[in-house]
Amino acid sequence: ILNVEQSPQSLHVQEGDSTNFTCSFPSSNFYALHWYRWETAKSPEALFVMTLNGDEKKKGRISATLNTKEGYSYLYIKGSQPEDSATYLCAFPTGGGNKLTFGTGTQLKVEL
Amino acid sequence: EPEVTQTPSHQVTQMGQEVILRCVPISNHLYFYWYRQILGQKVEFLVSFYNNEISEKSEIFDDQFSVERPDGSNFTLKIRSTKLEDSAMYFCASRSSAVENTEAFFGQGTRLTVV
Repeated sequence: ILNVEQSPQSLHVQEGDSTNFTCSFPSSNFYALHWYRWETAKSPEALFVMTLNGDEKKKGRISATLNTKEGYSYLYIKGSQPEDSATYLCAFPTGGGNKLTFGTGTQLKVEL
Repeated sequence: EPEVTQTPSHQVTQMGQEVILRCVPISNHLYFYWYRQILGQKVEFLVSFYNNEISEKSEIFDDQFSVERPDGSNFTLKIRSTKLEDSAMYFCASRSSAVENTEAFFGQGTRLTVV
């Protein structure tokens, strides 16, 4: 059974706080790691696809890093805003990339 | 921007009834998927579909489930005889390729409630 885990499960922060959360995945047979943001009543939306060890990707105030040797990725949000409130999912491609195995998700709530 | 659309957004059905969940994937994508999330649990893979046939299915995807691409645009998931434990949010997704670094595009989901 493939273990993709995320922590924490939920997080409440104040507007303006910076925050981060973790995705851990099997370090063997690594090809890629996906991060998705899922806002309530909307489609999960791809944030990043990470492929290289040491990679860092950025989209506005959100960035992600990758350590394939130890099997983890961090997602950082700088200066959180209420619109960042969502569930953040990481997913590990398996079956030759044909399917995604998801983590448990981190539910972020940013309060005013 | 192209998007994956799903209908209906909510469906309530009696146990034992058949339901069909519909999806319109992104038009030039070739790989189609159904995932589901039971409340409080992980999003889990059900089935992948390519070139008009199932390419992979999970243990959950038993004989009660079937998928079809009837007209080249719609992609449907049928549950023949629903059970209480089928209650979940069902997501359709499409991808341009099945290579590991290709992102998936998801619909907004259909919330299925079996009573």
